[in-house]
Amino acid sequence: KAGVTQTPRYLIKTRGQQVTLSCSPISGHRSVSWYQQTPGQGLQFLFEYFSETQRNKGNFPGRFSGRQFSNSRSEMNVSTLELGDSALYLCASSSSLIGAGGGYTFGSGTRLTVV
Amino acid sequence: QQPVQSPQAVILREGEDAVINCSSSKALYSVHWYRQKHGEAPVFLMILLKGGEQKGHDKISASFNEKKQQSSLYLTASQLSYSGTYFCGTQGRTGTASKLTFGTGTRLQVTL
Repeated sequence: KAGVTQTPRYLIKTRGQQVTLSCSPISGHRSVSWYQQTPGQGLQFLFEYFSETQRNKGNFPGRFSGRQFSNSRSEMNVSTLELGDSALYLCASSSSLIGAGGGYTFGSGTRLTVV
Repeated sequence: QQPVQSPQAVILREGEDAVINCSSSKALYSVHWYRQKHGEAPVFLMILLKGGEQKGHDKISASFNEKKQQSSLYLTASQLSYSGTYFCGTQGRTGTASKLTFGTGTRLQVTL
């Protein structure tokens, strides 16, 4: 079956612009989480969505937002981009809330570069 | 709070064993282990839910000591394919603590 699909794979944006990243989870998976990965900070949690509801939010500024649609696809948006937002953004899906004992399947990520 | 992994990096010869430790300062509900190869997405290895639980996956196994809030990943008779960065992810019991928080990773390199 198809894995987690993230689009686009690569993105170059200018400071001050905004960006929208997309994630399509594995068919049937209702939980989607987003992580920011950087060499210095590792995997930092952004949000977790389940059935269109945000269940958890990480310690990121309000410039970072997300949503989940009825088909479980998810988007995250970053407004007023800063150089420090350059990172690999990973989406992960699970068949249930992570607390129910399931593991994540990660997508290949979107590499965002802010110049 | 981010779990602490040790060691940060390890180099093994093929066939040698390794242990990667993951320690948290908070009460844990579960521990996940993932491996990420360079330029690829992290891949789920296993999840441990109960105190003292051990699990195995081929020659990779793990234990979870709920009381000590620690988990260890054991790689035996390592193969070249084991190379990559290993992350533990920890999860608390309720509310905001239930998000999966990853450690900074342990870079493992297996050589001939």
